Amino acid sequence: QSVLTQPPSASGTPGQRVTISCSGSSSNIGSNYVYWYQQLPGTAPKLLIYRNNQRPSGVPDRFSGSKSGTSASLAISGLRSEDEADYYCAAWDDSLSGHWVFGGGTKLTVL
Amino acid sequence: QITLKESGPTLVKPTQTLTLTCTFSGFSLSTSGVGVGWIRQPPGKALEWLALIYWNDDKRYSPSLKSRLTITKDTSKNQVVLTMTNMDPVDTATYYCAHSTVDTADSFDYWGQGTLVTVSS
Repeated sequence: QSVLTQPPSASGTPGQRVTISCSGSSSNIGSNYVYWYQQLPGTAPKLLIYRNNQRPSGVPDRFSGSKSGTSASLAISGLRSEDEADYYCAAWDDSLSGHWVFGGGTKLTVL
Repeated sequence: QITLKESGPTLVKPTQTLTLTCTFSGFSLSTSGVGVGWIRQPPGKALEWLALIYWNDDKRYSPSLKSRLTITKDTSKNQVVLTMTNMDPVDTATYYCAHSTVDTADSFDYWGQGTLVTVSS
């Protein structure tokens, strides 16, 4: 059972906009930044979003992040077939001397 | 450029101790604001954070695994070592090490390719 809650699956057609939610609590999302990682099949995770809504160099602006209270969202616009992957949210949790927590992951299918 | 690579045994027996080494290049773990973390992923399951060591030797551990984990660094060798005691089949997973920096708000911005560790007798 992951500390951060994500829907197990999401889907969309090419060109569509999809959003993936991530729900936490006051000790993690409520008081710290949210991060998003993309994991393509058979590969290591890749940083997609940091500090709630910042994109590392090289990440297309089709990907955007937002946070409100104890929840966060990842939006992907102009969906492409290569976006089919698992997406994980993460945050630092201030409880128990501090530790990282991840969501359970959302498998995005491009129909 | 920054690269990380995990190494260690692919198969360990239950109750044994696992020792994994992360060898990196392109950065120094003596630079302020830099850290190296370990994250694992059981087959078909979600990511789970294990431990993190910072440039100043500050260490953080997963609360649920803290009693079994030790993370250390060798700055001169550009290596970080993770040991996990009393291995169990449920610890079967791909283990990743990753670079962390204050530049991206302490995110894990570079990851190794991962190493699959199977726990079986």
